[in-house]
Amino acid sequence: EVQLVESGGGLVQPGRSLKLSCAASGFTFSNYYMAWVRQAPTKGLEWVASITNSGGSTYYRDSVKGRFTISRDNAKSTLYLQMDSLRSEDTATYYCTSLGAWWGQGVMVTVSS
Amino acid sequence: DIVMTQAPLSVSVTPGESASISCRSSKSLLHSNGITYVYWYLQKPGKSPQLLIYRMSNLASGVPDRFSGSGSETDFTLKISRVEAEDVGIYYCGQLLENPRTFGGGTKLELK
Repeated sequence: EVQLVESGGGLVQPGRSLKLSCAASGFTFSNYYMAWVRQAPTKGLEWVASITNSGGSTYYRDSVKGRFTISRDNAKSTLYLQMDSLRSEDTATYYCTSLGAWWGQGVMVTVSS
Repeated sequence: DIVMTQAPLSVSVTPGESASISCRSSKSLLHSNGITYVYWYLQKPGKSPQLLIYRMSNLASGVPDRFSGSGSETDFTLKISRVEAEDVGIYYCGQLLENPRTFGGGTKLELK
């Protein structure tokens, strides 16, 4: 059974950092392009970042470029999202996903003083 | 960026009847490889999104065949025949042709 389990969310002050992790199991993680998608409270889905299966290429939405870093450790089957200089508008549930059939349960990030 | 526009915002359906949701992209989603990179997802209340349709018309594993996807290069339709109570939620289309990946604003399906 495929599982994506996110962790690392929580309440953080504006300007601070947080690192999300996503532990994958049930499939060959290193074969898949992965992404983070977020959803602000009562809002729709918003793609944040993607990474190729090898980790050699990464892509970001403009509003997080220079602040967020997506990475992966294929030996550990784990996806990461390092979030720096957080803003109130980054408040959302963050999903780890293949953008296909596999989605994690989501982890809440709240940026507030 | 490719803009994905969904309609309607919400739809109310009597169980057993059918429903259609439209999605339009601001650019062709047809790749040179012949694949159209539009996907459909359902987010049930309080849950993560789940994949329904991939590459415009392919039914995802475990999805009932009451769901079907069709379309052209820029206009797409998700059809649900014989709507059931478990189909309630918000439906999103998304494009995976290029970055940034983008999603439609969502269509909420409710039962009458």
